[in-house]
Amino acid sequence: GQNIDQPTEMTATEGAIVQINCTYQTSGFNGLFWYQQHAGEAPTFLSYNVLDGLEEKGRFSSFLSRSKGYSYLLLKELQMKDSASYLCAVMDSNYQLIWGAGTKLIIKP
Amino acid sequence: DTAVSQTPKYLVTQMGNDKSIKCEQNLGHDTMYWYKQDSKKFLKIMFSYNNKELIINETVPNRFSPKSPDKAHLNLHINSLELGDSAVYFCASSQDTRGGGANVLTFGAGSRLTVL
Repeated sequence: GQNIDQPTEMTATEGAIVQINCTYQTSGFNGLFWYQQHAGEAPTFLSYNVLDGLEEKGRFSSFLSRSKGYSYLLLKELQMKDSASYLCAVMDSNYQLIWGAGTKLIIKP
Repeated sequence: DTAVSQTPKYLVTQMGNDKSIKCEQNLGHDTMYWYKQDSKKFLKIMFSYNNKELIINETVPNRFSPKSPDKAHLNLHINSLELGDSAVYFCASSQDTRGGGANVLTFGAGSRLTVL
């Protein structure tokens, strides 16, 4: 079966760095997406990786290793507004998105 | 100027009723989706339409019927509502169905359905 694993919840301190991991087992691979979802709001797109390596976008970076079926989202200089759920999703060989259950990130002052 | 708009935002209704949720996108995207997010926050694809044609129809009860009058609209009609239908329903759109950046989803704000 197809599976996406990410931690259920993480806590970090304002100003610090946090890494949210995502491991996947899918039938084929056509890219990995990270979305951010604040409580009571819609998911919004953060990043897309299809080749191995690190993609940097301001305070957020996303890393992919296809051979390991692994990705992480790195958030630097954490701000209170970064408190949200972070969803990992993988596009399989049929171009269908397989979603993880999301990681709830709690930022403490 | 909302990119993907869905109505209503909140819907409270009794078991057995029929209800509809409407969705419109002004992004010029070819593909639209309905997702269900339950209390555990897990996003599940329900339907996907590409240029008004159904391309994904996951295992959902046939009480759920999508309708796409044109590529900018995808409505969801639910018959004989049950308690288990209570969830947040998200409409989304993407430029296409294949190839990385073309598959980035833009979501509507969600419609919270509560069945009593």
